[in-house]
Amino acid sequence: QLVLTQSPSASASLGASVRLTCTLSSGHSSYAIAWHQQQPDKGPRYLMTHSSDGSHKKGDGIPDRFSASRSGAERYLSISSLQSEDEADYYCQTWGTGIQVFGGGTKLTVL
Amino acid sequence: EVQLVESGGGLVQPGGSLRLSCAASGFTVRSNYMNWVRQAPGKGLEWVSIVYSGGGTSYADSVKGRFTVSRDSSKNTLDLQMNSLRDEDTAVYYCATGRYGGIEYWGLGTQVTVSS
Repeated sequence: QLVLTQSPSASASLGASVRLTCTLSSGHSSYAIAWHQQQPDKGPRYLMTHSSDGSHKKGDGIPDRFSASRSGAERYLSISSLQSEDEADYYCQTWGTGIQVFGGGTKLTVL
Repeated sequence: EVQLVESGGGLVQPGGSLRLSCAASGFTVRSNYMNWVRQAPGKGLEWVSIVYSGGGTSYADSVKGRFTVSRDSSKNTLDLQMNSLRDEDTAVYYCATGRYGGIEYWGLGTQVTVSS
């Protein structure tokens, strides 16, 4: 079963860096994923796609402070020079035959 | 510029029906994967259904047999017919699209409330 697992919460200080983790279920470690940001009381916003070949594609206007990486079944979203507006929920998303899957989301608090 | 605008949400009683629509601009709905994704109050994102560029459809188990997704290429819209609505269908419903599987654009959402 295709499942994405995210830690419920994370925190980091203003101006610091943070890395959020999304783990693919067993047998699905090569899958591509997308990252989405949802600021409080707003709709989701696409950040970037991390393809199975390791390439990345960013959404319109996404700053260079946001980057993606991977290790095995883990996918990472890194945010540098944290700003107050980065405080949000972050969701990873993947897809398979006839299905789209979201992780449970990570609530990022900027201290 | 890609834009997605949802409409059709509202208050409906349990067992009732509602039809959502998503007006797309900046691309053609036939060229993309078109999704409905929902978010219940205080919860995370839940995928609901998809229409593939080839026309095939798929649904989450939670809505299979009750919801029907369709696209209208002449109007460039995506629709979601929701029947036999339950309390647990209460959510903001988002239209979302991408070209290769992942979601790259989101609409602003429309609220659906199922309550007596």
